[in-house]
Amino acid sequence: KAGVTQTPRYLIKTRGQQVTLSCSPISGHRSVSWYQQTPGQGLQFLFEYFSETQRNKGNFPGRFSGRQFSNSRSEMNVSTLELGDSALYLCASRVDQNSPLHFGNGTRLTVT
Amino acid sequence: GQQVMQIPQYQHVQEGEDFTTYCNSSTTLSNIQWYKQRPGGHPVFLIQLVKSGEVKKQKRLTFQFGEAKKNSSLHITATQTTDVGTYFCAGLNYGQNFVFGPGTRLSVLP
Repeated sequence: KAGVTQTPRYLIKTRGQQVTLSCSPISGHRSVSWYQQTPGQGLQFLFEYFSETQRNKGNFPGRFSGRQFSNSRSEMNVSTLELGDSALYLCASRVDQNSPLHFGNGTRLTVT
Repeated sequence: GQQVMQIPQYQHVQEGEDFTTYCNSSTTLSNIQWYKQRPGGHPVFLIQLVKSGEVKKQKRLTFQFGEAKKNSSLHITATQTTDVGTYFCAGLNYGQNFVFGPGTRLSVLP
């Protein structure tokens, strides 16, 4: 089985721009979660989607949004980028609520 | 909101020494999972603990879940250089989203 695929792997953007990150979960996994990882803050939960519905949301501003498509693929969008948004963005999929998370390799976003 | 703490933040050991990281949640957990992230990599699932007082072993790794389901520990016996990485605990709350601890970064000196 193919693992969780995230694209792109690296991204460089300028302050004020917006960015869209993509995640394809493991086949059969209907839950997709997004995390932000920074050296100072660790792994911070952004949101989780299940069957195209947002099931949980972390404490991030409204500039961070996401969606999930009928094939379970998910996108995350960040608008009006700030320098502090520079981070590794990890997507993870799971079968159900009690299953382990399977992470992708992440997208490293640098905002200049 | 729920908080998950881990100590220590960093641990440097000589190869062959033992290592333990501790995880504490501010609230009772549904279950707890442990992940390992190698430098430059992504978190990889190690184990899940569900029952109060549960103990599980994977070769040199021993995982415990506290009686109150609010704390957990990971113990590695006789560390090897392949154990290098950051170990995260992730508490699943009853709202069904994971809260990750800040991680313990392990360095193993050969």
